[in-house]
Amino acid sequence: QVTLKESGPALVKPTQTLTLTCTFSGFSLSTSGMRVSWIRQPPGKALEWLARIDWDDDKFYSTSLKTRLTISKDTSKNQVVLTMTNMDPVDTATYYCARMSGSGDRGYFDYWGQGTLVTVSS
Amino acid sequence: SYVLTQPPSVSVAPGKTARITCGGNNIGSKSVHWYQQKPGQAPVLVIYYDSDRPSGIPERFSGSNSGNTATLTISRVEAGDEADYYCQVWDSSSDRGVFGGGTKLTVL
Repeated sequence: QVTLKESGPALVKPTQTLTLTCTFSGFSLSTSGMRVSWIRQPPGKALEWLARIDWDDDKFYSTSLKTRLTISKDTSKNQVVLTMTNMDPVDTATYYCARMSGSGDRGYFDYWGQGTLVTVSS
Repeated sequence: SYVLTQPPSVSVAPGKTARITCGGNNIGSKSVHWYQQKPGQAPVLVIYYDSDRPSGIPERFSGSNSGNTATLTISRVEAGDEADYYCQVWDSSSDRGVFGGGTKLTVL
C-alpha cells in the first residue's frame, strides 16, 4: 500500500535553512505520471501548497515562496527533499508531503503523510 | 493568482444535509477536489474530479461543480462528519496548487 512519512527537525532558528525529507513506499517516482507535493499548515490555519516534483524531474513552486524553496528527489531511496531557506517564525507549521494523482492540470492528493510540526524560534 | 473562497463555518443538525461551497472564477472549467481534516490528523481525500468518491468514502458524500461555484454535499450528516473541509484545484495557468481557506463543519 502507499505510505508517506515526513522527517526533519522539530525546531529551527530564524534565518536557518530547513531540510525536510519525505520517504515513501508503494509507488516509484521513476514511474511515468508520478508526482509528490509538499503542503504546509500553520497552527489553526488553512492548507498551503508549497511545491511539486514530477517523475521526469519537472518542478513547480509556490509563487510567494519560490525564491526560498528547493525540491529534489532521490529515486533510489524513494525520497523527496524540500529545503526552505531563511526560516521565520511565520513559517511555523505542520509540513505534509502528499502523492499527487490525476493528470497534470487536474491533480489531486490521494495519499498524505502524517505531517511533521516545525517550529521556528530562537 | 487563482483564489478559492469557502465559508468559514457551516452548521447542520444530525441527519440533515450539509452543503459546503467553494467559489472561484469560472471554477466550473476546473477539476475540484475536496478533503476532510479532523483535529490532529492529516487531510483525507473525500471527493476528486468534482464528484468522484475514493474507495471507502461513504455515498453520503457527493460533489458538483458549475459556473463559479463547486459544492460538497454531505447527506444524513453524522457526528463523525464534524471536521474542517478544504477544496483544491490545480491552476493550470500558473502551474500551482491552490487550496480554499477551509470550512469548519459543526454538527449541532
